[in-house]
Amino acid sequence: AQSVTQLGSHVSVSEGALVLLRCNYSSSVPPYLFWYVQYPNQGLQLLLKYTTGATLVKGINGFEAEFKKSETSFHLTKPSAHMSDAAEYFCAGDLGTGANNLFFGTGTRLTVIP
Amino acid sequence: DAGVIQSPRHEVTEMGQEVTLRCKPISGHNSLFWYRQTMMRGLELLIYFNNNVPIDDSGMPEDRFSAKMPNASFSTLKIQPSEPRDSAVYFCASSLEAGGINEQFFGPGTRLTVL
Repeated sequence: AQSVTQLGSHVSVSEGALVLLRCNYSSSVPPYLFWYVQYPNQGLQLLLKYTTGATLVKGINGFEAEFKKSETSFHLTKPSAHMSDAAEYFCAGDLGTGANNLFFGTGTRLTVIP
Repeated sequence: DAGVIQSPRHEVTEMGQEVTLRCKPISGHNSLFWYRQTMMRGLELLIYFNNNVPIDDSGMPEDRFSAKMPNASFSTLKIQPSEPRDSAVYFCASSLEAGGINEQFFGPGTRLTVL
């Protein structure tokens, strides 16, 4: 069955440390994958997306994600965390069901410790 | 473009009252989605429309919830009668299906509190 799974509902990192948020998908066809960020009291904003082509995708605010078909993963990384990165992050996928809705993960809340 | 517009941004009502949430999608988009977000259940898809037609309403909690999209630029989500457990943030999102890439653009949400 198609699904998007985020491992870890809460992640804490120190300011300046590497950020790694995990996302795995299950799809019978090549997916389109997205990372969204939600700041407090705001809607979701697109960080980056993978459609086809280059598997390393760069997004806004220094984030990037790598599509790994062999691992069915699309983990989000940032080399150095900033206080302003504290937010909730959602992985989502168009998993080729023929419908145009996205499968969303359950979200990961990132805390950045000064 | 102004993005997805939702109104009201905040709504406080009493149990039993009717609540209507409104959404204006991005001009030219052909799909519209209603989501509900709570601490307990996270982000849930309630219903989505394609070309103004409801495609999947399996996420609508119960008959108290209804959604309409009378035209390409307007949608409503109605709760009648409202209950305290309906308290949540309701998001509207829209997308343009182009080449199969369905990137969704979210509105700022409506925070609903039912007393």
